[in-house]
Amino acid sequence: GESVGLHLPTLSVQEGDNSIINCAYSNSASDYFIWYKQESGKGPQFIIDIRSNMDKRQGQRVTVLLNKTVKHLSLQIAATQPGDSAVYFCAEINDYKLSFGAGTTVTVRA
Amino acid sequence: ETGVTQTPRHLVMGMTNKKSLKCEQHLGHNAMYWYKQSAKKPLELMFVYNFKEQTENNSVPSRFSPECPNSSHLFLHLHTLQPEDSALYLCASSQQLNTGELFFGEGSRLTVL
Repeated sequence: GESVGLHLPTLSVQEGDNSIINCAYSNSASDYFIWYKQESGKGPQFIIDIRSNMDKRQGQRVTVLLNKTVKHLSLQIAATQPGDSAVYFCAEINDYKLSFGAGTTVTVRA
Repeated sequence: ETGVTQTPRHLVMGMTNKKSLKCEQHLGHNAMYWYKQSAKKPLELMFVYNFKEQTENNSVPSRFSPECPNSSHLFLHLHTLQPEDSALYLCASSQQLNTGELFFGEGSRLTVL
């Protein structure tokens, strides 16, 4: 079964609002997590990663939060734009292999 | 442009056909991957190559046969496929193994009739 999983399969967001996409993982030994974005007709694209020695990491308009206590991570997108409409995947590295969870489809409303 | 090019983008084949998917990366990476993406399912890792050597075969049926002639090229040879093999096949590369930053191609959409 999946080692990482998303909480909600879909998310609808008003343009300009912040988006929060959640993901849970089951293996407490997991120490490296990654978020990917997949736009329609394209392959997944790396967004940001975080290792277990951190609980927060920021990129351009994105923040990843890691809560090791409850084995949960989230991706926050600030000021969501139409170009953020995509499927978002959380993933983890286990034994050098990248394993993906099911995605969350984010739709941005104008 | 991700630096990873896959051809063909679309392929329709019968169950008795033999076809191949091609992937080329222009990034100077050492590791290459095949993933399968089916509707309603997470991406499934199929094969991993590192410096042209296969390091992972994720229990993939033998009707899928990978080939990695050099670090820049990866093929997936298809033979006697089943309709349930219809999916998007994604190639990716990375600088090394054990990294979360993979660079994916746009995929080859395969339909098996």
